[in-house]
Amino acid sequence: EIVLTQSPGTLSLSPGERATLSCRASQSVSSNYLAWYQQKPGQAPRLLIYGASSRPTGIPDRFSGSGSGTDFTLTISRLEPEDFAVYYCQQYGSSPPLYTFGQGTKLEIK
Amino acid sequence: EVQLVGSGGGLVKPGGSLRLSCAASGFTFSNAWMSWVRQAPGKGLEWVGRIKSKTDGGTIDYAAPVKGRFTISRDDSKNTLYLQMNSLKTEDTAVYYCTTPSGHWFDPWGQGTLVTVSS
Repeated sequence: EIVLTQSPGTLSLSPGERATLSCRASQSVSSNYLAWYQQKPGQAPRLLIYGASSRPTGIPDRFSGSGSGTDFTLTISRLEPEDFAVYYCQQYGSSPPLYTFGQGTKLEIK
Repeated sequence: EVQLVGSGGGLVKPGGSLRLSCAASGFTFSNAWMSWVRQAPGKGLEWVGRIKSKTDGGTIDYAAPVKGRFTISRDDSKNTLYLQMNSLKTEDTAVYYCTTPSGHWFDPWGQGTLVTVSS
């Protein structure tokens, strides 16, 4: 089973700053199989990035993903007030559990 | 517009059963692979299981913590996904989301339905 470890656990920043969130896998993950989600309190997760670096339609271009192998990064170039939330990475594997999530990074207002 | 609307959650005693439903609209449900993902209070996301479309074999896979207790099924005539949960444990308390694994990621998600297992 591939374990995803996200860091930091909590990130305190101010609007306008740049956020860098990390997701490290215990084994190599295909870039095609790495995604990022945003979750706000009381809401379902929302897909932000798929295939490590692609954005779905409607996701602002201040969100970007990068990385390969075991190290992946979500970058928010310039934080907006609505970006403060919890972020999860997720990978797909070929055997159960087919999908695993990182434990999440909480992005809070400083 | 793609919509997934979950229902059926509630309070159940340990050892009890509950069936969740997820009504889909806005896409061709019969062609879609569907999944359940849960989130315990204040915790992260945990994949529960996946059912493929019938045209892709209808295979069902489960996460280890629920295998043998939970059953995923679908009724393509009603555009509805189900999660039958038996032998419930307190650690099954969570919000349960239905979602579609588009490719190897999940999008979109239903609004979630809360299951509380408590005596």
